[in-house]
Amino acid sequence: GQQVMQIPQYQHVQEGEDFTTYCNSSTTLSNIQWYKQRPGGHPVFLIQLVKSGEVKKQKRLTFQFGEAKKNSSLHITATQTTDVGTYFCAGSLSGSARQLTFGSGTQLTVLP
Amino acid sequence: NAGVTQTPKFRVLKTGQSMTLLCAQDMNHEYMYWYRQDPGMGLRLIHYSVGEGTTAKGEVPDGYNVSRLKKQNFLLGLESAAPSQTSVYFCASSFIQGGSEQFFGPGTRLTVL
Repeated sequence: GQQVMQIPQYQHVQEGEDFTTYCNSSTTLSNIQWYKQRPGGHPVFLIQLVKSGEVKKQKRLTFQFGEAKKNSSLHITATQTTDVGTYFCAGSLSGSARQLTFGSGTQLTVLP
Repeated sequence: NAGVTQTPKFRVLKTGQSMTLLCAQDMNHEYMYWYRQDPGMGLRLIHYSVGEGTTAKGEVPDGYNVSRLKKQNFLLGLESAAPSQTSVYFCASSFIQGGSEQFFGPGTRLTVL
């Protein structure tokens, strides 16, 4: 079945440092979504990427979708304590039954 | 709008007991999903529904049943709970399956002793 691998599993950074999480799929994806889950909370949608090579920015967050539509990354510039949480990628296959397959997530800790 | 709500928020069961988790959404979404979240394993899809009266199996359906009698509600049942079903359960809904954002409920923390 479809697998979506995400690394690293954990990341501790000092406030102000940059952070990147990577997502790789075993199969070509129709689109990829990113979610953030705060400690004790539920996943909240951040963005969706659809096109090959697409790059989108949200303030300090930069999202990329690979040319082959098999990998993606989320980069946070100058982390803040409000960035703490777990970041998940979720991929969708083309065709029917387009369920989302979630990566295992990267838990980000920002040290003040 | 309340979005996606789940009841109960917490539950402790003994092995072999049964229970039903209720998910309700007020966004008129066609698609609804049940996930379980375990440490280090992300979210795994249990069952999903593409519309009222329809259900389908996800990645980890064994030991669970679902029903979608009304468009706004999606029920997850455990007929005979096992300790391996200890988890946090999230319900989600969306307009287009896999093509648009999923809105998640607050979750149900279930412990099976």
